[in-house]
Amino acid sequence: QQQVKQSPQSLIVQKGGIPIINCAYENTAFDYFPWYQQFPGKGPALLIAIRPDVSEKKEGRFTISFNKSAKQFSLHIMDSQPGDSATYFCAASMRSGSRLTFGEGTQLTVNP
Amino acid sequence: EAQVTQNPRYLITVTGKKLTVTCSQNMNHEYMSWYRQDPGLGLRQIYYSMNVEVTDKGDVPEGYKVSRKEKRNFPLILESPSPNQTSLYFCASSFGTSSYNEQFFGPGTRLTVL
Repeated sequence: QQQVKQSPQSLIVQKGGIPIINCAYENTAFDYFPWYQQFPGKGPALLIAIRPDVSEKKEGRFTISFNKSAKQFSLHIMDSQPGDSATYFCAASMRSGSRLTFGEGTQLTVNP
Repeated sequence: EAQVTQNPRYLITVTGKKLTVTCSQNMNHEYMSWYRQDPGLGLRQIYYSMNVEVTDKGDVPEGYKVSRKEKRNFPLILESPSPNQTSLYFCASSFGTSSYNEQFFGPGTRLTVL
Protein backbone atom coordinates (compact mmCIF):
# COMPACT_ATOMS: atom_id res chain seq x y z
CA GLN A 1 0.00 0.00 0.00
CA GLN A 2 1.61 3.21 -1.21
CA GLN A 3 0.92 5.97 1.29
CA VAL A 4 2.44 8.61 -0.98
CA LYS A 5 1.35 8.57 -4.61
CA GLN A 6 3.49 10.41 -7.17
CA SER A 7 2.81 11.37 -10.78
CA PRO A 8 3.77 11.39 -13.54
CA GLN A 9 6.15 8.45 -13.74
CA SER A 10 8.18 10.21 -16.42
CA LEU A 11 8.27 13.71 -17.84
CA ILE A 12 10.04 15.28 -20.79
CA VAL A 13 10.29 19.06 -21.21
CA GLN A 14 12.27 21.48 -23.27
CA LYS A 15 14.91 23.71 -21.71
CA GLY A 16 13.21 26.68 -20.08
CA GLY A 17 9.98 24.78 -19.48
CA ILE A 18 8.33 24.38 -16.09
CA PRO A 19 7.96 20.71 -15.17
CA ILE A 20 5.47 20.00 -12.39
CA ILE A 21 5.53 16.80 -10.33
CA ASN A 22 2.58 15.98 -8.11
CA CYS A 23 2.24 13.95 -4.94
CA ALA A 24 -0.72 12.98 -2.79
CA TYR A 25 -0.70 11.47 0.67
CA GLU A 26 -3.25 9.74 2.86
CA ASN A 27 -1.90 9.88 6.39
CA THR A 28 -2.81 13.18 8.07
CA ALA A 29 -0.12 12.52 10.69
CA PHE A 30 2.57 13.34 8.12
CA ASP A 31 4.10 16.70 8.96
CA TYR A 32 7.23 16.97 6.85
CA PHE A 33 7.38 16.75 3.09
CA PRO A 34 10.82 16.67 1.46
CA TRP A 35 11.77 16.24 -2.16
CA TYR A 36 14.87 14.26 -3.06
CA GLN A 37 16.80 14.45 -6.32
CA GLN A 38 18.71 11.47 -7.68
CA PHE A 39 21.20 11.51 -10.54
CA PRO A 40 22.13 8.28 -12.33
CA GLY A 41 24.54 6.18 -10.30
CA LYS A 42 24.10 8.32 -7.18
CA GLY A 43 22.09 8.18 -4.02
CA PRO A 44 19.15 10.55 -3.51
CA ALA A 45 19.95 13.95 -2.05
CA LEU A 46 17.64 16.40 -0.31
CA LEU A 47 16.49 19.13 -2.68
CA ILE A 48 13.86 21.10 -0.79
CA ALA A 49 11.36 20.43 1.99
CA ILE A 50 8.18 21.95 3.40
CA ARG A 51 6.17 21.70 6.59
CA PRO A 52 2.35 21.91 6.49
CA ASP A 53 2.16 25.29 8.26
CA VAL A 54 3.05 27.05 4.98
CA SER A 55 1.52 26.75 1.51
CA GLU A 56 4.62 27.43 -0.55
CA LYS A 57 8.37 27.28 -0.24
CA LYS A 58 10.84 28.50 -2.83
CA GLU A 59 14.57 27.82 -3.07
CA GLY A 60 16.17 29.13 -6.22
CA ARG A 61 14.36 27.68 -9.22
CA PHE A 62 12.59 25.02 -7.15
CA THR A 63 9.21 25.63 -5.52
CA ILE A 64 7.01 23.37 -3.42
CA SER A 65 3.29 24.10 -3.36
CA PHE A 66 1.36 22.51 -0.53
CA ASN A 67 -2.40 22.03 -0.19
CA LYS A 68 -3.18 20.65 3.25
CA SER A 69 -6.93 20.27 2.74
CA ALA A 70 -6.42 18.28 -0.46
CA LYS A 71 -3.47 16.36 1.01
CA GLN A 72 -1.41 17.17 -2.04
CA PHE A 73 1.92 18.82 -2.73
CA SER A 74 3.87 19.49 -5.88
CA LEU A 75 7.33 20.45 -7.10
CA HIS A 76 7.75 23.13 -9.77
CA ILE A 77 11.07 23.71 -11.51
CA MET A 78 11.30 27.14 -13.08
CA ASP A 79 13.46 27.72 -16.17
CA SER A 80 14.43 24.05 -16.27
CA GLN A 81 17.90 23.13 -17.52
CA PRO A 82 19.37 19.92 -18.97
CA GLY A 83 21.32 19.58 -15.71
CA ASP A 84 18.00 19.15 -13.89
CA SER A 85 17.50 15.82 -15.67
CA ALA A 86 17.22 13.35 -12.81
CA THR A 87 14.76 11.24 -10.87
CA TYR A 88 12.74 13.13 -8.31
CA PHE A 89 11.12 11.55 -5.26
CA CYS A 90 8.59 13.14 -2.98
CA ALA A 91 8.44 11.85 0.56
CA ALA A 92 6.63 12.32 3.83
CA SER A 93 7.35 11.63 7.46
CA MET A 94 5.72 11.97 10.85
CA ARG A 95 6.80 13.99 13.83
CA SER A 96 7.46 10.78 15.72
CA GLY A 97 10.64 9.87 13.88
CA SER A 98 12.82 10.07 10.81
CA ARG A 99 11.06 7.35 8.84
CA LEU A 100 10.48 8.59 5.32
CA THR A 101 7.73 7.22 3.09
CA PHE A 102 8.65 7.83 -0.54
CA GLY A 103 6.58 8.23 -3.67
CA GLU A 104 7.24 6.11 -6.74
CA GLY A 105 9.58 8.62 -8.38
CA THR A 106 9.47 10.75 -11.54
CA GLN A 107 12.15 10.53 -14.18
CA LEU A 108 12.59 14.03 -15.60
CA THR A 109 14.34 14.71 -18.88
CA VAL A 110 15.06 18.29 -19.92
CA ASN A 111 16.00 18.50 -23.57
CA PRO A 112 18.44 21.22 -24.75
CA GLU B 1 34.53 14.59 3.80
CA ALA B 2 31.19 13.81 5.43
CA GLN B 3 29.73 10.79 3.73
CA VAL B 4 27.91 7.49 3.83
CA THR B 5 29.83 4.64 2.25
CA GLN B 6 28.52 1.29 1.09
CA ASN B 7 30.36 -1.83 -0.01
CA PRO B 8 30.27 -3.52 -2.36
CA ARG B 9 28.81 -1.22 -5.02
CA TYR B 10 27.91 -4.13 -7.28
CA LEU B 11 27.29 -7.76 -6.35
CA ILE B 12 26.13 -10.77 -8.32
CA THR B 13 25.38 -13.86 -6.27
CA VAL B 14 23.37 -17.06 -6.36
CA THR B 15 20.26 -18.07 -4.49
CA GLY B 16 20.93 -19.10 -0.90
CA LYS B 17 24.48 -17.77 -0.55
CA LYS B 18 24.65 -15.53 2.51
CA LEU B 19 25.89 -12.02 1.92
CA THR B 20 26.48 -8.80 3.83
CA VAL B 21 26.37 -5.26 2.50
CA THR B 22 28.28 -2.86 4.71
CA CYS B 23 27.30 0.72 5.48
CA SER B 24 29.37 3.26 7.36
CA GLN B 25 28.90 6.95 8.12
CA ASN B 26 31.44 9.42 9.48
CA MET B 27 29.01 12.11 10.66
CA ASN B 28 28.25 10.71 14.12
CA HIS B 29 24.62 10.28 13.10
CA GLU B 30 22.21 8.53 15.44
CA TYR B 31 19.71 7.38 12.83
CA MET B 32 20.54 4.91 10.07
CA SER B 33 18.31 3.13 7.60
CA TRP B 34 18.28 0.75 4.67
CA TYR B 35 16.09 1.17 1.59
CA ARG B 36 15.58 -0.78 -1.57
CA GLN B 37 14.76 0.96 -4.84
CA ASP B 38 12.74 -0.82 -7.50
CA PRO B 39 11.31 0.64 -10.74
CA GLY B 40 7.81 1.99 -10.25
CA LEU B 41 7.92 1.40 -6.48
CA GLY B 42 10.25 4.17 -5.37
CA LEU B 43 12.31 3.69 -2.23
CA ARG B 44 10.97 1.34 0.42
CA GLN B 45 12.43 1.12 3.88
CA ILE B 46 13.77 -2.26 4.97
CA TYR B 47 15.09 -1.62 8.50
CA TYR B 48 16.09 1.37 10.54
CA SER B 49 18.05 2.07 13.69
CA MET B 50 17.50 4.95 16.10
CA ASN B 51 20.80 4.32 17.90
CA VAL B 52 23.30 1.62 18.88
CA GLU B 53 21.59 -1.70 19.62
CA VAL B 54 18.19 -0.23 18.67
CA THR B 55 16.76 -1.51 15.38
CA ASP B 56 13.26 -1.89 13.99
CA LYS B 57 11.48 -3.17 10.93
CA GLY B 58 10.56 -0.90 8.07
CA ASP B 59 8.00 -1.63 5.39
CA VAL B 60 9.70 -4.59 3.66
CA PRO B 61 11.87 -6.43 6.24
CA GLU B 62 11.25 -10.02 5.14
CA GLY B 63 14.45 -11.83 4.19
CA TYR B 64 16.77 -9.24 5.70
CA LYS B 65 18.62 -8.78 8.97
CA VAL B 66 20.55 -5.84 10.40
CA SER B 67 22.72 -5.08 13.39
CA ARG B 68 23.95 -1.86 15.00
CA LYS B 69 26.85 -2.66 17.28
CA GLU B 70 28.66 0.61 16.63
CA LYS B 71 27.21 4.03 15.92
CA ARG B 72 28.96 4.40 12.56
CA ASN B 73 28.14 0.98 11.04
CA PHE B 74 24.86 -0.57 9.98
CA PRO B 75 25.35 -3.74 7.90
CA LEU B 76 22.53 -5.35 5.93
CA ILE B 77 22.54 -9.15 5.97
CA LEU B 78 20.78 -11.45 3.52
CA GLU B 79 21.05 -14.92 5.06
CA SER B 80 19.49 -16.77 2.11
CA PRO B 81 19.11 -14.41 -0.85
CA SER B 82 16.40 -15.05 -3.41
CA PRO B 83 15.90 -13.59 -6.90
CA ASN B 84 13.15 -11.26 -5.65
CA GLN B 85 15.81 -9.47 -3.60
CA THR B 86 17.51 -8.33 -6.79
CA SER B 87 17.40 -4.57 -6.35
CA LEU B 88 19.30 -1.34 -5.78
CA TYR B 89 19.99 -0.84 -2.07
CA PHE B 90 20.68 2.43 -0.29
CA CYS B 91 21.89 3.11 3.20
CA ALA B 92 21.02 6.48 4.75
CA SER B 93 21.77 8.32 7.96
CA SER B 94 20.60 11.44 9.75
CA PHE B 95 21.73 13.41 12.78
CA GLY B 96 18.75 12.79 15.01
CA THR B 97 15.40 11.10 15.08
CA SER B 98 13.31 14.19 14.47
CA SER B 99 11.29 14.08 11.30
CA TYR B 100 12.96 17.31 10.16
CA ASN B 101 16.47 15.91 9.91
CA GLU B 102 17.91 15.59 6.42
CA GLN B 103 18.76 12.03 5.46
CA PHE B 104 22.11 11.49 3.74
CA PHE B 105 22.25 8.58 1.33
CA GLY B 106 25.11 6.35 0.31
CA PRO B 107 25.96 5.71 -3.36
CA GLY B 108 23.97 2.49 -3.57
CA THR B 109 24.65 -1.23 -3.97
CA ARG B 110 23.26 -2.98 -7.00
CA LEU B 111 22.54 -6.60 -6.09
CA THR B 112 21.65 -9.36 -8.54
CA VAL B 113 20.57 -12.74 -7.19
CA LEU B 114 20.59 -15.51 -9.80
